[in-house]
Amino acid sequence: QSVLTQPPSVSGAPGQRVTISCTGSSSNIGAGYDVHWYQQLPGTAPKLLIYGNSNRPSGVPDRFSGSKSGTSASLAITGLQAEDEADYYCQSYDSSLSGPNVVFGGGTKLTVL
Amino acid sequence: EVQLVQSGAEVKKPGESLKISCKGSGYSFTSYWIGWVRQMPGKGLEWMGIIYPGDSDTRYSPSFQGQVTISADKSISTAYLQWSSLKASDTAMYYCVRCMLTLEFDYWGQGTLVTVSS
Repeated sequence: QSVLTQPPSVSGAPGQRVTISCTGSSSNIGAGYDVHWYQQLPGTAPKLLIYGNSNRPSGVPDRFSGSKSGTSASLAITGLQAEDEADYYCQSYDSSLSGPNVVFGGGTKLTVL
Repeated sequence: EVQLVQSGAEVKKPGESLKISCKGSGYSFTSYWIGWVRQMPGKGLEWMGIIYPGDSDTRYSPSFQGQVTISADKSISTAYLQWSSLKASDTAMYYCVRCMLTLEFDYWGQGTLVTVSS
């Protein structure tokens, strides 16, 4: 069971907008730690998609955006394309009693219908 | 161009030892933390630990403390992940990552598949 909770799957038709949520707690997202997002295309290594809650690395299309509020964060993808079909993971930092730890969400599989 | 190039796939038996590597290039290897991430078959990502090659300061996830050893040789810009006694449950893809100060992983290696089977 992951410290950060994501929906197992989301889907959308080409051109549509989808959002993926990432829910944490007061020891991670709610404590003010940044949220980062990764895209993992089938059979490849993950790639940084969003860092620092809402920043895009060079080369990432502006169809991808991130936001954070309270103990949750979201990734939004607009103008959905077939090539966006992938697994998406959120990541943050957790300062709970078990020890400081980088934590990931369980991942969300995006299906483009 | 920043690159992290990992060693090749390994097939081992339970109880055997193993050390996999990750060679960094295209940047100052001693100025960035390098981390390791595990992905078990069909599962999500798990952070294992990080090392600062400049002074070998190492931090482990509580879940992996005592299970693996992370090290680095800055003279050859290479980080390592090591097991002293493998278990079948160590079967997974292992990625090395470059870690920024705000803890995002901006570059990933291609992954090393470790299979542990009798």
